[in-house]
Amino acid sequence: GQQLNQSPQSMFIQEGEDVSMNCTSSSIFNTWLWYKQDPGEGPVLLIALYKAGELTSNGRLTAQFGITRKDSFLNISASIPSDVGIYFCAGQGRGSTLGRLYFGRGTQLTVWP
Amino acid sequence: EAGVAQSPRYKIIEKRQSVAFWCNPISGHATLYWYQQILGQGPKLLIQFQNNGVVDDSQLPKDRFSAERLKGVDSTLKIQPAKLEDSAVYLCASSAITGTRRNNEQFFGPGTRLTVL
Repeated sequence: GQQLNQSPQSMFIQEGEDVSMNCTSSSIFNTWLWYKQDPGEGPVLLIALYKAGELTSNGRLTAQFGITRKDSFLNISASIPSDVGIYFCAGQGRGSTLGRLYFGRGTQLTVWP
Repeated sequence: EAGVAQSPRYKIIEKRQSVAFWCNPISGHATLYWYQQILGQGPKLLIQFQNNGVVDDSQLPKDRFSAERLKGVDSTLKIQPAKLEDSAVYLCASSAITGTRRNNEQFFGPGTRLTVL
């Protein structure tokens, strides 16, 4: 299957700091998505990206679809305690079965007050 | 709008036993997915249904896992017999439209945490 490398694996930051995480793939993706997962819950979609070079914001979150189609990043500005959780990137590859998403291993974010 | 419902939330069984999970997708969603999420990893697709037909089950261990979606609404995922390595969270997701990019907007349920002893 297609491999997604997500980094960093974990981050410990202070409230108010900005956060950046990224995801790279060995294959080209048609779509990149970023999810957040809280303990005991399923992933929740944060941002969806559908075009190479696309830059999309959702409140304090900003994500970009890399020009090469093999990478994406997510930025969180002015972090707050409720940003704590695991962030996953996910991609859908060209020619793959419609709907199948490939997920990264996640970035565990901890925010200190 | 009600989200994706799953039950049970937790299940503990011994190896070689059987277990079943249930999922009720968001009303009107034609596509339903079952994912397996092992601790410390991202979800991995097991099977995808469109209405009551299987679209993709290439990653489903068919010797022990089975799934069905009768009437194109609810779905059950079964493991028989379970192995230690099946310990994971089993997530169900649904999406509204196939054939378009909106198909990628999958909504997940809370998951069932399975522990195999």
